[in-house]
Amino acid sequence: AQTVTQSQPEMSVQEAETVTLSCTYDTSESDYYLFWYKQPPSRQMILVIRQEAYKQQNATENRFSVNFQKAAKSFSLKISDSQLGDAAMYFCAYRSAYGTGNQFYFGTGTSLTVIP
Amino acid sequence: GAGVSQSPSNKVTEKGKDVELRCDPISGHTALYWYRQRLGQGLEFLIYFQGNSAPDKSGLPSDRFSAERTGESVSTLTIQRTQQEDSAVYLCASTGGQGVFYNEQFFGPGTRLTVL
Repeated sequence: AQTVTQSQPEMSVQEAETVTLSCTYDTSESDYYLFWYKQPPSRQMILVIRQEAYKQQNATENRFSVNFQKAAKSFSLKISDSQLGDAAMYFCAYRSAYGTGNQFYFGTGTSLTVIP
Repeated sequence: GAGVSQSPSNKVTEKGKDVELRCDPISGHTALYWYRQRLGQGLEFLIYFQGNSAPDKSGLPSDRFSAERTGESVSTLTIQRTQQEDSAVYLCASTGGQGVFYNEQFFGPGTRLTVL
């Protein structure tokens, strides 16, 4: 089974600064999808950004971008110009591109604190 | 509906009682997932449905847990003879649809279960 590892249980960042959350995964597959989800205190999980493994270009969504290193099986999330609303748990997730309805594998999460 | 809905949002029960948790996925979504999230922890996969069949029940923690799904619609997660360790937030997610969003999981707000 695939595993997803988030080695930073907690991170903090000063408002307006940049922070990078790390994620590594283990798989033998060549095609897959990677996701970062945000879970604020309201507990509603929200998709932040996704990356298809066959795309070499790193995905970006406004202030959020990823550094996808396929050979290293690394998928880090960079948050630029951090805002107070970015404070949340962040989960990295993996899903196979083969078949339908396959299981998603989640990391254990990183709790991000934004300091005013 | 516009998103995944879950009911009830909160449930308090006494040890030994049975509970039913409900999930309404996004209309047309073929795959439905249940997760358990203990306080301060990551997501623990329980079960997923493709249509109304459950190809993967490997995450159900014991035979006290069961789930069913009616067609490609509502799913119910039942916990019998609840124990205090069952206290957690139970999250439901669905995937499906067309185009670029096909592989994204859309989450409901969760049901917070407290077993006294």
